Amino acid sequence: EIVLTQSPTTMAASPGEKVTITCRASSSVSYMHWYQQKPGASPKPWIYDTSKLASGVPNRFSGSGSGTSYSLTISSMETEDTATYYCQQWSSNSPMLTFGSGTKLEIK
Amino acid sequence: EVQLVESGGGLVQPGRSLKLSCAASGFTFSDYNMAWVRQAPKKGLEWVATISYDGSSTYYRDSVKGRFTISRDNAKSTLYLQMDSLRSEDTATYYCARGDYVMDAWGQGASVTVSS
Repeated sequence: EIVLTQSPTTMAASPGEKVTITCRASSSVSYMHWYQQKPGASPKPWIYDTSKLASGVPNRFSGSGSGTSYSLTISSMETEDTATYYCQQWSSNSPMLTFGSGTKLEIK
Repeated sequence: EVQLVESGGGLVQPGRSLKLSCAASGFTFSDYNMAWVRQAPKKGLEWVATISYDGSSTYYRDSVKGRFTISRDNAKSTLYLQMDSLRSEDTATYYCARGDYVMDAWGQGASVTVSS
């Protein structure tokens, strides 16, 4: 089973600040995907195939990485970015999909 | 507009069964693999099961194998999750999601509480 470890678990950023969330995999993966979830709402696809923004995602967001280390970056934090972000990978092994434990991002 | 609407959640006693449904609209349901993902209260996301576009292949996480069954009716554009021998640790919001290696659409979720 591939385990995804996200860091930090919780963080607060000021408006305009650059934010980086990291996701480390226990074994090498080909791609990483990211979801945004706000309280009481369903997860939304956010970044797929490591670096492609889902429809409607502001271009202040970006994704990068390879092998066992991936990241989601916000170039300039905005209030609406407050949410929990989950990374996710797919594997042909079981379990097929695994998620990171999430990073809760708050505004300072 | 892509829509996924879950139903069938509720309170159930340990050891009993429950069947969730997910009605899909706004896309050609039979073209897509589909999945169920759950989220226990105040916890993270956990993949439960995936079914291929034609229903010929199914995949489960180990903790639900033999207890849960994912199925679909393409004529009705509906995804199902039959949950048997429910345990307290199955308590969660269950989301229906489109896709397999990445999920590009999610339902609003169905709440399942397993408690005596």
